[in-house]
Amino acid sequence: AQSVTQPDIHITVSEGASLELRCNYSYGATPYLFWYVQSPGQGLQLLLKYFSGDTLVQGIKGFEAEFKRSQSSFNLRKPSVHWSDAAEYFCAVGGNTNAGKSTFGDGTTLTVKP
Amino acid sequence: NAGVTQTPKFQVLKTGQSMTLQCAQDMNHEYMSWYRQDPGMGLRLIHYSVGAGITDQGEVPNGYNVSRSTTEDFPLRLLSAAPSQTSVYFCASSSDEQGGEAFFGQGTRLTVV
Repeated sequence: AQSVTQPDIHITVSEGASLELRCNYSYGATPYLFWYVQSPGQGLQLLLKYFSGDTLVQGIKGFEAEFKRSQSSFNLRKPSVHWSDAAEYFCAVGGNTNAGKSTFGDGTTLTVKP
Repeated sequence: NAGVTQTPKFQVLKTGQSMTLQCAQDMNHEYMSWYRQDPGMGLRLIHYSVGAGITDQGEVPNGYNVSRSTTEDFPLRLLSAAPSQTSVYFCASSSDEQGGEAFFGQGTRLTVV
């Protein structure tokens, strides 16, 4: 069975500081990994995804993530956080054999201090 | 391009009432899914479909029915609403291409009293 763990429920960073959100997954084959962002009252928007190739992937809004197969991790990073980055972030895992069904982590809420 | 459209955005039901949450996508995606989002629990898969006429259960299917008569539409039916079904519901669609991500609707906030 596939699963995703986001160990940090809530993270607070100062504006301009760097950010890393952790994601660990369990999947029996080569995973497809996603990071989504959700602003209050909104749906989820894709930040970036990995399914093959370079293990460091770039996304929108200056985010990047690194796939580490040996650690079963797909951590999200941003070098300098902006106040508008405050939101909830979800990591998800899926695969080509599971017909588009993704399993989501419980989410990490990011608060940005001025 | 509207993407994934969900209606209604808000709904209050009394226990025992039935209703249908509508979902439509205009991206010609084969895969469609319904999730519910509860505080601290992420998104949990209710039902999904891999194409017109084909549906299957997800993680939390009890109390919900779905059908997929067309590629575009994937309605979710609550047969007899219960307070435990108070949640935010999201519909998503994705293509069958390798690594295809999910596109989400704006959500339906449902309260069952």
